[in-house]
Amino acid sequence: SYELTQPPSVSVSPGQTARITCSGDALPKKYAYWYQQKSGQAPVLVIYEDSKRPSGIPERFSGSSSGTMATLTISGAQVEDEADYYCYSTDSSGNHRGVFGGGTKLTVL
Amino acid sequence: QVQLVQSGAEVKKPGASVKVSCKASGYTFTSYGISWVRQAPGQGLEWMGWISAYNGNTNYAQKLQGRVTMTTDTSTSTAYMELRSLRSDDTAVYYCARAKTGDPDYWGQGTLVTVSS
Repeated sequence: SYELTQPPSVSVSPGQTARITCSGDALPKKYAYWYQQKSGQAPVLVIYEDSKRPSGIPERFSGSSSGTMATLTISGAQVEDEADYYCYSTDSSGNHRGVFGGGTKLTVL
Repeated sequence: QVQLVQSGAEVKKPGASVKVSCKASGYTFTSYGISWVRQAPGQGLEWMGWISAYNGNTNYAQKLQGRVTMTTDTSTSTAYMELRSLRSDDTAVYYCARAKTGDPDYWGQGTLVTVSS
């Protein structure tokens, strides 16, 4: 079955740039989406269709995709950005079944 | 504003079934679908499937085929997810989310389903 691979953890100091990657064989043909999940809360969409930012999401969140890798970038990470981040996409088999990456714990301290 | 309000926590015995509801408001229900996603304790997100609120078409995760049924009631803008033959590893928080073609945007608050004898 199709898989998306993320690093388990990323750590930055406040004000630094955090980059979280997501790799998958179908990403050259399929969009990536990114979700932020804080402890005990439902996920929140922060990037859709590789690089678009929903209204209300701070400009420091951006996304890009090249080849088999999508990247979520948080420019000038804040303490409140500490959370789990998940990428999401679909396989390219024609089934359009969704899959989440394993998640990345972002620590900002 | 878009809101998805889910039913309350459930405790079930192994082998039983559970049906979780998700009432949508703040948008035209039939213009989107609903995805269901679950999260076992301390684990990541798992996509369970998607249903079109327009025509009822479904797309289920392969590992849940035969055990899960997703439905909608357009008269009440409510989606339902039923999971049968429950096992202990089905213990999780179950989320519904609005989804145009499967990719979630707005999420419900989650429903904890505990499977225990």
